[in-house]
Amino acid sequence: AQSVTQPDIHITVSEGASLELRCNYSYGATPYLFWYVQSPGQGLQLLLKYFSGDTLVQGIKGFEAEFKRSQSSFNLRKPSVHWSDAAEYFCAVAPMEYGNKLVFGAGTILRVKS
Amino acid sequence: DGGITQSPKYLFRKEGQNVTLSCEQNLNHDAMYWYRQDPGQGLRLIYYSQIVNDFQKGDIAEGYSVSREKKESFPLTVTSAQKNPTAFYLCASSIAYGYTFGSGTRLTVV
Repeated sequence: AQSVTQPDIHITVSEGASLELRCNYSYGATPYLFWYVQSPGQGLQLLLKYFSGDTLVQGIKGFEAEFKRSQSSFNLRKPSVHWSDAAEYFCAVAPMEYGNKLVFGAGTILRVKS
Repeated sequence: DGGITQSPKYLFRKEGQNVTLSCEQNLNHDAMYWYRQDPGQGLRLIYYSQIVNDFQKGDIAEGYSVSREKKESFPLTVTSAQKNPTAFYLCASSIAYGYTFGSGTRLTVV
């Protein structure tokens, strides 16, 4: 089935530690790829997106993501996590066959311990 | 500043009542969307509209209805046919794969 998978429901990291959030998709053609962040009770803020070109994408707040076509993955990384990064993170794709509709993963809740 | 306004932020309704959630944008975007968010399920598409006076069902349209009479407005009605309406509802708009989200409405049905 076509889908977006975020295998980690919760992740806890220590402040200052590195972070990697995983995202895999299963669509025929490479879709457009996005990472969003959501604070409790709020809307979604775009962290970064990939359409084409360089497979390492830089985003806001020190985040980056790497697109790997062979693994159908678009993992989000940050070298050093801050307590303010605690939030829920969503991977989303815009499959070519879906027009411009976004399909979301289930989300990963990030906890940061001091 | 351009953006999307969802109102109200919190909404309480009795079971069996219809309720309408408001979504207004001043971004001049053609496309608008309604998503439902439940814990652990991400965002699921309810309805979307690519142009005024036209809209299509998303993945979970049963028990919901929409209208798109103006480019700026895309209200969502949660009807009494929706079996489990308590959720967080997000509205979005887009142009050329650039998406803007509202701050959401939390609907609680008691």
